[in-house]
Amino acid sequence: AQRVTQPEKLLSVFKGAPVELKCNYSYSGSPELFWYVQYSRQRLQLLLRHISRESIKGFTADLNKGETSFHLKKPFAQEEDSAMYYCALRANRGGSQGNLIFGKGTKLSVKP
Amino acid sequence: DAGITQSPRHKVTETGTPVTLRCHQTENHRYMYWYRQDPGHGLRLIHYSYGVKDTDKGEVSDGYSVSRSKTEDFLLTLESATSSQTSVYFCAISASNYGYTFGSGTRLTVV
Repeated sequence: AQRVTQPEKLLSVFKGAPVELKCNYSYSGSPELFWYVQYSRQRLQLLLRHISRESIKGFTADLNKGETSFHLKKPFAQEEDSAMYYCALRANRGGSQGNLIFGKGTKLSVKP
Repeated sequence: DAGITQSPRHKVTETGTPVTLRCHQTENHRYMYWYRQDPGHGLRLIHYSYGVKDTDKGEVSDGYSVSRSKTEDFLLTLESATSSQTSVYFCAISASNYGYTFGSGTRLTVV
C-alpha cells in the first residue's frame, strides 16, 4: 500500500535556525515525491518535486530511496516560512497517472 | 490567476440538505480531483476524474457523488449533508507530468 508519513504535527523553530521537515513514504515502485505548502487560509501551492531537483525559497529536498525518505530542509528559517507543509507521493504506473497521496501535514512555526 | 476556481467559497447548510460544490478550470487539463482537508487527517481524496464522464472513487467517497459533463467543470454533490462532512473542500487539476494545481477551497459547515 502507498503511504506517506509526516511524523511531526508541529515543528517550532526560531528565525535563523535550520529546519528539517520529515517525510517517509511506503511504495514498492518508483515514486514521484512532492512538497506542498499552504499559508494561512490559502490554497496549497507546489513547493518542490523531486525530479526537478530545484531549490525554491531556500528549501531543498532529496529523495533517499534507501531510507524511503524525502525530507524538506532549509538552512535558515524565516518568519514567512510559517505554514502548513504537506509531503505527497504519486505512484508511477507506466504511463497512466496515479493520484497524489498526501501525508497529514506538518505545521511549521518560525518564531522571531 | 491559477486557472482554477471553486464556488462557493463558504457555505453553511443544514443537516439532510443536498449541497453541490463547483470546480471550474480554464487549463483544459484532463485530470480533476476533489479532496477534503481536516485537522489531523491532512488531505484525503474523495473522487477524481480522468475525462468527461470518467470518474472514480477515492479514499473517502461515501456520501459524495461527482459529475463531469464538460472538461472544465467538476461538480461534487453531497446528497444529504451530515455534520461529519463539515470540512474544507479543495479541487485540484493536473497535467500528466506535473504536480497538482489547487483551487482556493470551499469551507462547508453543516449544522
